[in-house]
Amino acid sequence: GAVVSQHPSRVICKSGTSVKIECRSLDFQATTMFWYRQFPKQSLMLMATSNEGSKATYEQGVEKDKFLINHASLTLSTLTVTSAHPEDSSFYICSAAGLAGIGYEQYFGPGTRLTVT
Amino acid sequence: GNSVTQMEGPVTLSEEAFLTINCTYTATGYPSLFWYVQYPGEGLQLLLKATKADDKGSNKGFEATYRKETTSFHLEKGSVQVSDSAVYFCALRSAGGTSYGKLTFGQGTILTVHP
Repeated sequence: GAVVSQHPSRVICKSGTSVKIECRSLDFQATTMFWYRQFPKQSLMLMATSNEGSKATYEQGVEKDKFLINHASLTLSTLTVTSAHPEDSSFYICSAAGLAGIGYEQYFGPGTRLTVT
Repeated sequence: GNSVTQMEGPVTLSEEAFLTINCTYTATGYPSLFWYVQYPGEGLQLLLKATKADDKGSNKGFEATYRKETTSFHLEKGSVQVSDSAVYFCALRSAGGTSYGKLTFGQGTILTVHP
């Protein structure tokens, strides 16, 4: 149980275009989803926290107009990187947390490798 | 604020060697502590956790004890395997307040196990 999927797993896009990454909790309802960014050989940096039906809370230094987060249902959150640039290339990981017997543990998706050319 | 400090890697061991990865933390209140493992190109998997002082988390031969007096949560395994090669992250989760539920990660330790 407690499986989180991400789609796509890898994406290459051109500079200036927008990219949407989906995060789904497959077998539980996620009241909260988190989006992280991971640079090569570095730790995870929390970008934002989103609660279903509410606006996301962004961490300091994260541009909310560039990284649009939507958490429209209890099983789906999306991250849209708008007007992507090469410096946005990174590994993006989501996690989902919820109740219903699994406590408040965060379960992580497999990540999405974004490359902006 | 909260912080987690892990021993710097990379750590290179031979198969069947003993593993210790040190982790210390700074936090207010009584956080929960975690170890996550990340295999190449993948997301994070929860390896083990402890939610209160003196708790021992264990899984797949790994174990770690929540030591409040030394604010530590060191990861150990008695005999590592090649398949244990991965990046290991120590993390804490705030007990309450505005940071409730957020995870704070250490910088990660790369482990390579040779046959």
